[in-house]
Amino acid sequence: DVKVTQSSRYLVKRTGEKVFLECVQDMDHENMFWYRQDPGLGLRLIYFSYDVKMKEKGDIPEGYSVSREKKERFSLILESASTNQTSMYLCASSSVVLAKNIQYFGAGTRLSVL
Amino acid sequence: GDSVTQMEGPVTLSEEAFLTINCTYTATGYPSLFWYVQYPGEGLQLLLKATKADDKGSNKGFEATYRKETTSFHLEKGSVQVSDSAVYFCALGNTGNQFYFGTGTSLTVIP
Repeated sequence: DVKVTQSSRYLVKRTGEKVFLECVQDMDHENMFWYRQDPGLGLRLIYFSYDVKMKEKGDIPEGYSVSREKKERFSLILESASTNQTSMYLCASSSVVLAKNIQYFGAGTRLSVL
Repeated sequence: GDSVTQMEGPVTLSEEAFLTINCTYTATGYPSLFWYVQYPGEGLQLLLKATKADDKGSNKGFEATYRKETTSFHLEKGSVQVSDSAVYFCALGNTGNQFYFGTGTSLTVIP
């Protein structure tokens, strides 16, 4: 089974802190994604990556950056956390060749910024 | 651009009732269609999928048929259980590796 692991289930941070959310997948998928999920808004794509060291902006990249130094790991960075970034963050991976483009999700990180 | 529109919730049903959650899509080309389920406190899990017109995806008693003529992929289950209580997301995956999700429909099944 595909496993996508997010490093934390719950995080509490203060305004202005730099926050790292880590995501690791174990199936050699080339594509990785970061979404945030908010009530009534569904999933919104923040950033995605098609390969190591590659990144593309999604629909709401402002206030976020990402890093993909290794194929299995995709990090989301909040350079200076703000209260409006309090949300559920979901990481996903996919592969057109290995997984018929199905997205596999981690369990999510619920971030609270105080 | 590509998009997915799904029925707004919340939906509350009694156990053993029939479930339909509507989903329509807009896409260029020939997308794949998916239903994902999210149980409380968890990430999204793939429930079923269909990759071409007239395909029927099915899993755990849920079904959805890819209807190109009506651009729809409605989720159905003949008899829901309390354990089906969750949020359901319709999604579209296009040939450009991009995914588009609906806003989710919350389902509560009461005994």
